[in-house]
Amino acid sequence: SQTIHQWPATLVQPVGSPLSLECTVEGTSNPNLYWYRQAAGRGLQLLFYSVGIGQISSEVPQNLSASRPQDRQFILSSKKLLLSDSGFYLCAWSGGPRDPYEQYFGPGTRLTVT
Amino acid sequence: SQQGEEDPQALSIQEGENATMNCSYKTSINNLQWYRQNSGRGLVHLILIRSNEREKHSGRLRVTLDTSKKSSSLLITASRAADTASYFCASSTRGSGNTGKLIFGQGTTLQVKP
Repeated sequence: SQTIHQWPATLVQPVGSPLSLECTVEGTSNPNLYWYRQAAGRGLQLLFYSVGIGQISSEVPQNLSASRPQDRQFILSSKKLLLSDSGFYLCAWSGGPRDPYEQYFGPGTRLTVT
Repeated sequence: SQQGEEDPQALSIQEGENATMNCSYKTSINNLQWYRQNSGRGLVHLILIRSNEREKHSGRLRVTLDTSKKSSSLLITASRAADTASYFCASSTRGSGNTGKLIFGQGTTLQVKP
């Protein structure tokens, strides 16, 4: 069966510090991968998606970047965090056997920038 | 631009009652999906309805799709306290190709009182 891991679960970082959030998927190959951000009480905003190794598409110009160094690994980074980067970050994948459009989400990372 | 709008934003009902949530979207879709999110957790896929389908059932869930009105509804019958969560619609638009990109609505927060 497929599983998706995200870490860390919570993170408190000062303004101006770097960021690295990691997401890995097990039990599938060549998934589509996504990073979302969710503000408190709001819906999900798609930040980046990837359809293959090294292929990254950005949806919203911002202070963040993403990389996919391996087929099932997706990394969200920032060189210098801003207060506005605080939020709940979710990684997801799609392309599973039941339906290629269904997305499966990780548990999320709660980021607080102070 | 935001694709999905949901109403109501919040819904409070008694256990055993039915809960109905509505979603509207703006452009043509391949499919529309509904997800559930418990507080502070990742999203869980509930049901997917394709653009050529009008109604779909899964257990106590019933989803309808009206492409002429660009709207969908999610009905949860005989609600339980455990159904308390936020519910999001997400649309896969035509032209998204093989990316699997979804555009999420802002969600409906459902509280089911025991």
